[in-house]
Amino acid sequence: KQEVTQIPAALSVPEGENLVLNCSFTDSAIYNLQWFRQDPGKGLTSLLLIQSSQREQTSGRLNASLDKSSGRSTLYIAASQPGDSATYLCAATDRGSTLGRLYFGRGTQLTVWP
Amino acid sequence: NAGVTQTPKFQVLKTGQSMTLQCAQDMNHEYMSWYRQDPGMGLRLIHYSVGAGITDQGEVPNGYNVSRSTTEDFPLRLLSAAPSQTSVYFCASSYSRQGIGELFFGEGSRLTVL
Repeated sequence: KQEVTQIPAALSVPEGENLVLNCSFTDSAIYNLQWFRQDPGKGLTSLLLIQSSQREQTSGRLNASLDKSSGRSTLYIAASQPGDSATYLCAATDRGSTLGRLYFGRGTQLTVWP
Repeated sequence: NAGVTQTPKFQVLKTGQSMTLQCAQDMNHEYMSWYRQDPGMGLRLIHYSVGAGITDQGEVPNGYNVSRSTTEDFPLRLLSAAPSQTSVYFCASSYSRQGIGELFFGEGSRLTVL
């Protein structure tokens, strides 16, 4: 069974810092990897989706990379802002069954202080 | 743009009661799914559907029933609520029938079983 781990579990940084969130997965046979943002009391919002054939995806200040051989993905946030404070989750879509099944990490809780 | 709509947002039940969590999407997505999110456990898949009339079990299906009579709606039924079903429930949909595309989430339904 696919296992997804996110490190660190929590991160607190001052505004303006560039930061990296880590995601690792145990089975490299994936369709894709997605990064989500979750604000307190809210649902998940998809940030970036990297297909298994891709190495990275960018959206604004966010850049996500994927290295299937090492089972790792990173989410890079440039010039962090207080509005970036949220929990960030990654999810790997497994190739193991007929249908894709997402396996979620437990998230990194990010706090950006002014 | 409504996206994925869940009702109710909050619900308190007594042990043994039954109820239905509603989920509707207006994006004409074939794939719909239900997750529960518990502290320290991450998100876990309960049931999913790849189209009207087609449903299947996920990782934690016991105690829950689903049906899919239309493309838009995917209700989740708790037959006899137990305290272990206290959780936050999320409905999600995808344009990919296999569930391997970007996932769109509702805002969640917070259920407490006394």
